[in-house]
Amino acid sequence: SAVISQKPSRDICQRGTSLTIQCQVDSQVTMMFWYRQQPGQSLTLIATANQGSEATYESGFVIDKFPISRPNLTFSTLTVSNMSPEDSSIYLCSVDRGYGYTFGSGTRLTVV
Amino acid sequence: QKEVEQDPGPLSVPEGAIVSLNCTYSNSAFQYFMWYRQYSRKGPELLMYTYSSGNKEDGRFTAQVDKSSKYISLFIRDSQPSDSATYLCAMSAQIDMRFGAGTRLTVKP
Repeated sequence: SAVISQKPSRDICQRGTSLTIQCQVDSQVTMMFWYRQQPGQSLTLIATANQGSEATYESGFVIDKFPISRPNLTFSTLTVSNMSPEDSSIYLCSVDRGYGYTFGSGTRLTVV
Repeated sequence: QKEVEQDPGPLSVPEGAIVSLNCTYSNSAFQYFMWYRQYSRKGPELLMYTYSSGNKEDGRFTAQVDKSSKYISLFIRDSQPSDSATYLCAMSAQIDMRFGAGTRLTVKP
């Protein structure tokens, strides 16, 4: 099964700044998924990242706010841009194992 | 109506109790059903994976799917303090996966 290394594990950021979250997978995968997990709420899909093409964003999420890179089949980054306190959340990357997803350990972001 | 409904709890039980966790859903196209366990400050880890209706058992854990009622359950027998975590149900039709909000479980020694 795939192992995902996600970093940073947590950060406290000033509003108006940007943070880039990285995920490294130990095997090649076609699609990587980026989720947001807010307290007491279900995981919300932000976007699906395919290697060699633009990411596909879900309703309510836009590329200018959450730009994604996918330079190869084992790596992806998600940037949270121009942050506000409302962006405080846990961000998770994941890959499809064919029988469920494997998740990174998450990035706990606090915007002050 | 949310696509997936899950009672957020919290749920507190004594060690050794049988725990029942449940989710309901509205999309009849869902065919794949999963339960994830998430410890504090960790990402969710896959616990059980079921295709279509029926039961699946793995050690102390049993997953049940009733597609006619759009209802899934996870049973934990002989619960242990190490089972204390948030449990999320998830389901999908093909690729697009939907998650419940998670139920926070505490098993007291």
